[in-house]
Amino acid sequence: DGGITQSPKYLFRKEGQNVTLSCEQNLNHDAMYWYRQDPGQGLRLIYYSQIVNDFQKGDIAEGYSVSREKKESFPLTVTSAQKNPTAFYLCASRPPGQGWETQYFGPGTRLLVL
Amino acid sequence: AQSVTQLDSQVPVFEEAPVELRCNYSSSVSVYLFWYVQYPNQGLQLLLKYLSGSTLVKGINGFEAEFNKSQTSFHLRKPSVHISDTAEYFCAVRRRANNLFFGTGTRLTVIP
Repeated sequence: DGGITQSPKYLFRKEGQNVTLSCEQNLNHDAMYWYRQDPGQGLRLIYYSQIVNDFQKGDIAEGYSVSREKKESFPLTVTSAQKNPTAFYLCASRPPGQGWETQYFGPGTRLLVL
Repeated sequence: AQSVTQLDSQVPVFEEAPVELRCNYSSSVSVYLFWYVQYPNQGLQLLLKYLSGSTLVKGINGFEAEFNKSQTSFHLRKPSVHISDTAEYFCAVRRRANNLFFGTGTRLTVIP
């Protein structure tokens, strides 16, 4: 089956630790995105990548880093510099030739700080 | 700057009753507006979109929305809701060439 997978579903982080959230897609999409969702707020864009080996900062990139070494994978690292990392993180990808609104979302990873 | 406002954070409604979820936008340029649905612990799905043309847009699951330029609104409607429609609904506007701005969401709860 084609789709987007995110793992793990729940992730716990200790203070001062870096953690990496996985996002994989087998849809052959070039563009991929990372969003953060907080209660009572809409999604906010962290980073996006239009093509392999290239990525751009979104609205709230501070304290996060990404890589795009393979078309299928777009991992997000939440660094210790991110002071309020507890949130629901959503990864998405977009088919070529479609507008930004046509994004396919993964099931999300909920990050909790201990 | 383009933005959207969803004034209702929660909307409870009885099964088979009609529902309207409100969305107002602010923009000085052409707008492209969207509604997404998010079921619990899942990602978002695109319900419908307005890019141009007919102001009444029909989407999946029996939902529709009407673009009203004079009232700067893009309200989502369904004539008869089901239990399975219980979810969070987000209005969004395309901002700049390559970005989306999401509203804060409306949680629709369908009561049996």
